[in-house]
Amino acid sequence: EAQVTQNPRYLITVTGKKLTVTCSQNMNHEYMSWYRQDPGLGLRQIYYSMNVEVTDKGDVPEGYKVSRKEKRNFPLILESPSPNQTSLYFCASSLSEGRQPQHFGDGTRLSIL
Amino acid sequence: GQQVMQIPQYQHVQEGEDFTTYCNSSTTLSNIQWYKQRPGGHPVFLIQLVKSGEVKKQKRLTFQFGEAKKNSSLHITATQTTDVGTYFCAVGNNRKLIWGLGTSLAVNP
Repeated sequence: EAQVTQNPRYLITVTGKKLTVTCSQNMNHEYMSWYRQDPGLGLRQIYYSMNVEVTDKGDVPEGYKVSRKEKRNFPLILESPSPNQTSLYFCASSLSEGRQPQHFGDGTRLSIL
Repeated sequence: GQQVMQIPQYQHVQEGEDFTTYCNSSTTLSNIQWYKQRPGGHPVFLIQLVKSGEVKKQKRLTFQFGEAKKNSSLHITATQTTDVGTYFCAVGNNRKLIWGLGTSLAVNP
């Protein structure tokens, strides 16, 4: 089954404790991206990747890192999480570029205390 | 940067009534996508419009792209409780999508 898998689905942690949210897709998609969704602010792009080893900042990249060492995986790293990063995070992928239909993971709800 | 305005923010209807959400841009769009997000779920792609004046239908859903390619609409005929959720439009280029803030639809049975 074609899917985008995120882990964990839920996480409560404390300020400053490094965490990684994993994202994996099995559709051989070249394009992957991370979004955060906050009430009243909609979906905002954090980082995106056009292909392996090619990543770029989205609209709200501060406090986040990503890597794309393999085509299928695109982890989101919070080196020193802060409470303002409490949010619902989605990973998405598409065949080759941003304006193609995006396939989303189920989401990761992060709470930073 | 490119922005897209989506209205209304909320809509509450009785089951059986129609519903429409609109997306507007100040710039000409190369394409527009529509997504639905159920409560507690993730956005799911519905459709992409590319051509000026394009109209596409999916059962009770009708999608339109304006002649000037600056606006789009999603119309649902005779809403059902299964239509509950937030409907987003998204526009973009090869690198990124810009999302409208969404229209949340509530349906009274």
